[in-house]
Amino acid sequence: AQTVTQSQPEMSVQEAETVTLSCTYDTSESDYYLFWYKQPPSRQMILVIRQEAYKQQNATENRFSVNFQKAAKSFSLKISDSQLGDAAMYFCAYDGGATNKLIFGTGTLLAVQP
Amino acid sequence: GAVVSQHPSRVICKSGTSVKIECRSLDFQATTMFWYRQFPKQSLMLMATSNEGSKATYEQGVEKDKFLINHASLTLSTLTVTSAHPEDSSFYICSASPSGSHMNTEAFFGQGTRLTVV
Repeated sequence: AQTVTQSQPEMSVQEAETVTLSCTYDTSESDYYLFWYKQPPSRQMILVIRQEAYKQQNATENRFSVNFQKAAKSFSLKISDSQLGDAAMYFCAYDGGATNKLIFGTGTLLAVQP
Repeated sequence: GAVVSQHPSRVICKSGTSVKIECRSLDFQATTMFWYRQFPKQSLMLMATSNEGSKATYEQGVEKDKFLINHASLTLSTLTVTSAHPEDSSFYICSASPSGSHMNTEAFFGQGTRLTVV
């Protein structure tokens, strides 16, 4: 069965600095999708970035980028120029092509210090 | 972007009663919707996959008779918590993807429903 592990329950970063959130996963599939979701205090789940496993190029969305290491089954999220609004719970998620189900990690609570 | 509306956002009910939660895709059709449960400070756990016009697929350990799912149209899925008990108190979230797209590459989430059973 697929699993997603986020080993950092909490992280803190200074405003304008860069922070990296870690995520590892386990799967025997070769084709899958990986996601980072943000859940602010409102509890609304917001897609931050996604990566298709067949693409070698790391996905980027403005200040958010990923470091996708397929062989190591690692999918970290880098947030550059951190802003106060980035404070939230961040979930890494996996979607295998066969099941079409999202499997979430346990989350990392990110605090942004002014 | 696409919008998924979930209603109600908060509900308090008495133990033993039933509560219905609605999940609507406002500007797209969704053949499949997903229902998740999230305990405080924990991750989202998939409860069931709701398929339009057919029976829902439940995850292992989720009671089908307790969590009734109906997906009668391409824009509406409902989750009914029957004979609710305090241990059913939780945050319930739905998601939907436009029909024809890969399920979760374009998943949009509702704002969630906080259920409190007293």
